[in-house]
Amino acid sequence: ETGVTQSPTHLIKTRGQQVTLRCSSQSGHNTVSWYQQALGQGPQFIFQYYREEENGRGNFPPRFSGLQFPNYSSELNVNALELDDSALYLCASSPRQGIGTDTQYFGPGTRLTVL
Amino acid sequence: QQQVKQSPQSLIVQKGGISIINCAYENTAFDYFPWYQQFPGKGPALLIAIRPDVSEKKEGRFTISFNKSAKQFSLHIMDSQPGDSATYFCAATMDSNYQLIWGAGTKLIIKP
Repeated sequence: ETGVTQSPTHLIKTRGQQVTLRCSSQSGHNTVSWYQQALGQGPQFIFQYYREEENGRGNFPPRFSGLQFPNYSSELNVNALELDDSALYLCASSPRQGIGTDTQYFGPGTRLTVL
Repeated sequence: QQQVKQSPQSLIVQKGGISIINCAYENTAFDYFPWYQQFPGKGPALLIAIRPDVSEKKEGRFTISFNKSAKQFSLHIMDSQPGDSATYFCAATMDSNYQLIWGAGTKLIIKP
């Protein structure tokens, strides 16, 4: 059983650019959630995908968008990057849609730095 | 109402001592309270979780104490070891919700 993997590990972008982060969910999991973790803070929920559809969204603007593919891997896209977007982006997979109490399995994250 | 407040922000404990981290919540609809452990360079990993129908849950050296009337819960790490040095997050959610609400984290350092 493989765990959650994310790529790239680190990324440096400049303000105004666009970025795509990738996540492969744990085997057998069909739900993927994305979180933003600013330095010294707890993760903030961005959105969740279930079977290629957005299942729920946190308080993030539309320039944060996502995709989930038939193999349940996922992408997080951020347009028009701002300095405040600098953070660790975490992907988590879980076995069931929209069940908050399911254990979420986290990847190691992608560290994004916006200059 | 959606917030989970966690304290302290950082904690230093001697090896063999008891580490205690506290959390408080407002939303009485929350019915699941997990604790996550995060090592540098890694994603958070579930450590232990509790439902409000019990006041305590123990797994090895880790215990959650839950006070429903005070809307507070805490993590106790007994016989703390240097390998326990990490950042700990409390969180809260409910079956009908799709997201975890996280505390701000506690950086725990166990001194040898």
